[in-house]
Amino acid sequence: GQQVMQIPQYQHVQEGEDFTTYCNSSTTLSNIQWYKQRPGGHPVFLIQLVKSGEVKKQKRLTFQFGEAKKNSSLHITATQTTDVGTYFCEDPDSWGKLQFGAGTQVVVTP
Amino acid sequence: DTEVTQTPKHLVMGMTNKKSLKCEQHMGHRAMYWYKQKAKKPPELMFVYSYEKLSINESVPSRFSPECPNSSLLNLHLHALQPEDSALYLCASSRTSSNQPQHFGDGTRLSIL
Repeated sequence: GQQVMQIPQYQHVQEGEDFTTYCNSSTTLSNIQWYKQRPGGHPVFLIQLVKSGEVKKQKRLTFQFGEAKKNSSLHITATQTTDVGTYFCEDPDSWGKLQFGAGTQVVVTP
Repeated sequence: DTEVTQTPKHLVMGMTNKKSLKCEQHMGHRAMYWYKQKAKKPPELMFVYSYEKLSINESVPSRFSPECPNSSLLNLHLHALQPEDSALYLCASSRTSSNQPQHFGDGTRLSIL
């Protein structure tokens, strides 16, 4: 397999603004998972998307799986300082170094 | 709070030392994992145990030796490590090894002198 590509790698957001991070694959994914890692912390599971076109919401976080199951997005509305961290998408079918995307590091300024 | 417990939290060792990292979970998960994570990089999978059997070894050097004594415990034995092995070592578990969400421990921050 190939590593899922995540963009952007770095996101600087003003508190209260919205932003989106994207995860793209050259191959069809059976499912995709998203994790958040706070600075100095460990990855924490956020969501798993399985169905084509699936949309799931967790408060201010909206996760989407593309119709072709080759891409996914995480949209955060009204960013807060608690949203600081690195967001990883993960392709559970690609073991090893290809498993996680490079991550989007989010910095929030008040 | 994490349901996967790793010890020690920090470890400094010389290149000739032998040490072990420990991981424990009591969620009844049957898959356990070791990852290595360098600063500002994603976790890289090292080993997967499924039902206490080693199912994946991602071409990890033999100076890292995993062990799964039972379904709740996972060890990583370290011997003759190199400075480039300094990293955060994360343990994770999941219900099974098939597309299940993983629960990560806090990790062991390892420094090799």
